[in-house]
Amino acid sequence: AQSVTQPDIHITVSEGASLELRCNYSYGATPYLFWYVQSPGQGLQLLLKYFSGDTLVQGIKGFEAEFKRSQSSFNLRKPSVHWSDAAEYFCAVAINDYKLSFGAGTTVTVRA
Amino acid sequence: KAGVTQTPRYLIKTRGQQVTLSCSPISGHRSVSWYQQTPGQGLQFLFEYFSETQRNKGNFPGRFSGRQFSNSRSEMNVSTLELGDSALYLCASSLAGDGYTFGSGTRLTVV
Repeated sequence: AQSVTQPDIHITVSEGASLELRCNYSYGATPYLFWYVQSPGQGLQLLLKYFSGDTLVQGIKGFEAEFKRSQSSFNLRKPSVHWSDAAEYFCAVAINDYKLSFGAGTTVTVRA
Repeated sequence: KAGVTQTPRYLIKTRGQQVTLSCSPISGHRSVSWYQQTPGQGLQFLFEYFSETQRNKGNFPGRFSGRQFSNSRSEMNVSTLELGDSALYLCASSLAGDGYTFGSGTRLTVV
């Protein structure tokens, strides 16, 4: 069955430390891949996307993600976390351009 | 450039009533899709419209319907509301090959 898995429900990280959020997908073909961030009560903001080409993708707010076809993964990273990065992060995939399938999300808490 | 606009932001309805939510996409975007977000089920795809045609539909009952107008604005309607319909409803617009931009959502509470 097609699925998107974010193994970590909640991650706590110290301000200034690095962050990595994991995402694995299970689809027959390589999908389009996205990472979104959501602050409480808000909509989703696109951090970055991968359609094809270079497997290391740079996004907004200092985030990057790496697509690894052999591992069916698209992990999100940030070298140094700021307190404003506390939010919920969603990995999403699309087989075509019509529909996004989301992971369950990872909540990031940043401690001072 | 204006983003995706959803109205209203908050809504309280009674069981059995119906509700209509509105979404204005980014100018030039012809694809509009709708998602339901709940704590239990997460983000689930409702339907997607392109040039006034529904191209894809999620696994929701027929009480959930939508449409798109010639100016790409979209509405979704939920009839005979149930308590379980309480959710954040998110609209996204897309320009082919450029990803999906989401609005701030409509928070629907059914009492």
